[in-house]
Amino acid sequence: DTGVSQDPRHKITKRGQNVTFRCDPISEHNRLYWYRQTLGQGPEFLTYFQNEAQLEKSRLLSDRFSAERPKGSFSTLEIQRTEQGDSAMYLCASSSGQENSPLHFGNGTRLTVT
Amino acid sequence: QQQVKQSPQSLIVQKGGISIINCAYENTAFDYFPWYQQFPGKGPALLIAIRPDVSEKKEGRFTISFNKSAKQFSLHIMDSQPGDSATYFCAAKGSGYSTLTFGKGTMLLVSP
Repeated sequence: DTGVSQDPRHKITKRGQNVTFRCDPISEHNRLYWYRQTLGQGPEFLTYFQNEAQLEKSRLLSDRFSAERPKGSFSTLEIQRTEQGDSAMYLCASSSGQENSPLHFGNGTRLTVT
Repeated sequence: QQQVKQSPQSLIVQKGGISIINCAYENTAFDYFPWYQQFPGKGPALLIAIRPDVSEKKEGRFTISFNKSAKQFSLHIMDSQPGDSATYFCAAKGSGYSTLTFGKGTMLLVSP
């Protein structure tokens, strides 16, 4: 399967703990995006990388959130001191560098903070 | 403010019927309007997209209609099938923006 893969699929954590998610994009894609989706809502943009450079961050991304994409390949999203409001589906997507190239989404990591 | 407003929130259509989902936007800088389809437990997948230089685009049973003056666009699913039951998201992007802004989604159920 050459699609976008995310790990883990599900994560349950206690409030205050740190969590880290991983995304492996389609290999030839240089753009990588993180979105968050809550029940009954569309995906909300969090951050975007072009190769290894983080070019844009949403105001939704508080200081407790950090994302990396070392060497422009896989990416990690870390949430420190999780809160119940962080419970959501975290979606990763990748695309080629062409204008308006489609986003290819992974199946997400569902985070539940208890 | 980047916003895309989508309606209805949910829709039930009989098999063989036409499903219509509407979206409206405010930012006149938007110039790319895709629709994504999401099945339970899966990420969204691109269904069809349109640019504002055309008023309609058709791919199989799926058609986007675009009204630039009204800042509205809609998805029509002809001959709706139970396999079309999913959540549909409209989205928009401008050339000055690097990311898509999504609507809140429409949950479509096609009854057999």
